[in-house]
Amino acid sequence: NAGVTQTPKFRILKIGQSMTLQCTQDMNHNYMYWYRQDPGMGLKLIYYSVGAGITDKGEVPNGYNVSRSTTEDFPLRLELAAPSQTSVYFCASFIEAGNQETQYFGPGTRLLVL
Amino acid sequence: GQNIDQPTEMTATEGAIVQINCTYQTSGFNGLFWYQQHAGEAPTFLSYNVLDGLEEKGRFSSFLSRSKGYSYLLLKELQMKDSASYLCAVSPNPGGYQKVTFGIGTKLQVIP
Repeated sequence: NAGVTQTPKFRILKIGQSMTLQCTQDMNHNYMYWYRQDPGMGLKLIYYSVGAGITDKGEVPNGYNVSRSTTEDFPLRLELAAPSQTSVYFCASFIEAGNQETQYFGPGTRLLVL
Repeated sequence: GQNIDQPTEMTATEGAIVQINCTYQTSGFNGLFWYQQHAGEAPTFLSYNVLDGLEEKGRFSSFLSRSKGYSYLLLKELQMKDSASYLCAVSPNPGGYQKVTFGIGTKLQVIP
């Protein structure tokens, strides 16, 4: 199992450009999440999905969009990049088995908007 | 609302024991996560406590007191590679992960 993979690892965008951050998991997890992490701040949830075809907003969804056409893939779209979106983005998947909850993070995408 | 507090930074000596505390005030509580995050890397799962008490996993142990809204992560026999940030996070209800709130993390520096 590759676990949770993300591409690209690093990207520089100009203000107003768009891009898609890719996330794929091969563990057949239903739950997937996108977080951003800013320096000195906790992880903030952007969007999440509880299964293919179902997505919902998290704490900080403005400026982002997601889709979930398959169980494996959960891309995050930035339509009009802004400097405030400079951050590290983590995709994660989640599984609940009995009383135990475990989740797995991807390696992250560092985004710089200039 | 959710509020999670943990110290910003800690320093400990190689071979010693360190305890990282986390207190929380949340509108609901199902369980508490601890993660380790090395600089520039993704968080990695360490533990998930639902019931009161201490759970031990090798050199790492995690304790939870639901009545006190308190948890700690105990690291024994510290190694230099334990230098990292340790994130506390609370899950307010079962089923899914979407409402989990993260603390800002405690940056632990292990010195020789």
